[in-house]
Amino acid sequence: GDSVTQTEGLVTLTEGLPVMLNCTYQTAYSTFLFWYVQHLNEAPKLLLKSSTDNKRTEHQGFHATLHKSSSSFHLQKSSAQLSDSALYYCALSEGTQVVGQLTFGSGTRLQVYA
Amino acid sequence: EAAVTQSPRNKVAVTGGKVTLSCNQTNNHNNMYWYRQDTGHGLRLIHYSYGAGSTEKGDIPDGYKASRPSQENFSLILELATPSQTSVYFCASEGTEVFFGKGTRLTVV
Repeated sequence: GDSVTQTEGLVTLTEGLPVMLNCTYQTAYSTFLFWYVQHLNEAPKLLLKSSTDNKRTEHQGFHATLHKSSSSFHLQKSSAQLSDSALYYCALSEGTQVVGQLTFGSGTRLQVYA
Repeated sequence: EAAVTQSPRNKVAVTGGKVTLSCNQTNNHNNMYWYRQDTGHGLRLIHYSYGAGSTEKGDIPDGYKASRPSQENFSLILELATPSQTSVYFCASEGTEVFFGKGTRLTVV
């Protein structure tokens, strides 16, 4: 079956430093890859999505590029802000019609300090 | 932004008791989902629905039932709650993207 691996459970950074959260996946199908962000006591919200190989996707200062050759979709930001502190999930869905059947990684908590 | 409302937001249940978690969306979305969130596992899909009257098993359906009596409402039912079902449960509906509710924290004692 499908799987998503996020190797870091916790990433701690000083404000202003770059952010990189890792995501690799395994699937036998064409997929959409997603990043969701969940702030404390809030709902997970879509941050980025992509299904196009080698195309950079950007939103709210974050960016990610889907690399099918390495099965990766790492999340990056050039300069961390205190408000970026949250739980980040990488997820995938098979196919193009029903994207709500998501397989999530275990999540990476990003903690940004002043 | 699409709204998904879950109730209750917090629930304490007794082992062996019946628990019903409710979800409502007024977005007219066909597809709805129930996930549970556990540390170290992320979110895992329990049941989903393509519309009123439809329920499908997700990745971890054992111990759970679902009911979709209308386009707007999608319930998750634990007939015999167990402590292993202590978790945070998220409902979601699918439009141009997936919209999650704020979650229900369930504790089974």
